[in-house]
Amino acid sequence: AQKITQTQPGMFVQEKEAVTLDCTYDTSDPSYGLFWYKQPSSGEMIFLIYQGSYDQQNATEGRYSLNFQKARKSANLVISASQLGDSAMYFCARRSPSGGATNKLIFGTGTLLAVQP
Amino acid sequence: GAVVSQHPSRVICKSGTSVKIECRSLDFQATTMFWYRQFPKKSLMLMATSNEGSKATYEQGVEKDKFLINHASLTLSTLTVTSAHPEDSSFYICSARGGRGTDTQYFGPGTRLTVL
Repeated sequence: AQKITQTQPGMFVQEKEAVTLDCTYDTSDPSYGLFWYKQPSSGEMIFLIYQGSYDQQNATEGRYSLNFQKARKSANLVISASQLGDSAMYFCARRSPSGGATNKLIFGTGTLLAVQP
Repeated sequence: GAVVSQHPSRVICKSGTSVKIECRSLDFQATTMFWYRQFPKKSLMLMATSNEGSKATYEQGVEKDKFLINHASLTLSTLTVTSAHPEDSSFYICSARGGRGTDTQYFGPGTRLTVL
């Protein structure tokens, strides 16, 4: 099965420091998309950042950046200058293979990030 | 932009009753909507994909007669849990894709269903 692996079930980070959340994936598709979502305790899933497999540059969105290493099939999320409000569950996801599918997302198991003051 | 609403946010019902959950894209037309289920401290599990005007595509192991999905318009999809039982208690969350031609799915705030 083509799956997404997040090896860190939980992470601690000090406020104002940077943190990297790991994500690796399996795929045999030449074209795919990678997403990161944040889920605070309220339950909503908040879209953070997207990386296309053919994008030449790593994606960035404010304090979020994606360390995309295509050969290693990894798409780690880097959060700079952590804030207390960043404490949440973070999910990595990949758009499923095309070929008639409606671009389903396959999610990793998530990483729980706790930002300490 | 790209706001998705879900209603109700929380529902408690008796075993054997049916519950309808609505998912709306508020500021874009969603050609495709997705329904997920999430157990505590677990990842999201895709239940079904619905395209406007056609039948939903269910994932393996999801009972289509149990979880009825209707996508009547480009801004509304509904999930009806029929004859709910306690094991159906879960967090149900929808997402919508469309608008601006991207693959990004935007999620609703979720519905917590408790069946007594």
